[in-house]
Amino acid sequence: KNQVEQSPQSLIILEGKNCTLQCNYTVSPFSNLRWYKQDTGRGPVSLTIMTFSENTKSNGRYTATLDADTKQSSLHITASQLSDSASYICVVSANRDDKIIFGKGTRLHILP
Amino acid sequence: NAGVTQTPKFRVLKTGQSMTLLCAQDMNHEYMYWYRQDPGMGLRLIHYSVGEGTTAKGEVPDGYNVSRLKKQNFLLGLESAAPSQTSVYFCASSLKQIMNTEAFFGQGTRLTVV
Repeated sequence: KNQVEQSPQSLIILEGKNCTLQCNYTVSPFSNLRWYKQDTGRGPVSLTIMTFSENTKSNGRYTATLDADTKQSSLHITASQLSDSASYICVVSANRDDKIIFGKGTRLHILP
Repeated sequence: NAGVTQTPKFRVLKTGQSMTLLCAQDMNHEYMYWYRQDPGMGLRLIHYSVGEGTTAKGEVPDGYNVSRLKKQNFLLGLESAAPSQTSVYFCASSLKQIMNTEAFFGQGTRLTVV
């Protein structure tokens, strides 16, 4: 069964600190993996998208990694800011049926 | 550039009432989608459309109907609302198949059925 599991469920860190969010998937055949940021009361906004051949991609202070062999991805946030408080959703695309599978998200709280 | 716009943003319905959620995109995208987001769950696909005049069922289509009469609009209808349909609904659009391309989401519609 195609699944996307994220951990932790929620995370609280102090402003300025770094953090790493995890995503494990069992989606097959794999097409690509995306990380979305969802602010409270808003729709998801894309941060990165990685295909099988890419193992790292950055977007400002956000760096995503992908290990297609172990089917794991991480999202690293550097020097966190209050505006980073949001849910971060890992989404994996299967290379058929036009399907994308959403993880449940990690809720990140940045404290001043 | 507005992107994907959903109306209304909030709505409270009584059980058995009907309503239509409107999604409009100004990016000339072929593909449009309706998702629901419930606490503790990932977004789930309700219905989608691969072009004007086409619709298809997603993962959780029961109790919903959709129409895509114009390329830029995708309507989601609830004919007889049930409390189980209390959720946040998101519309998304993409230029090509969503599995291969960027998807853009609206800001969501929070629906409560009492």
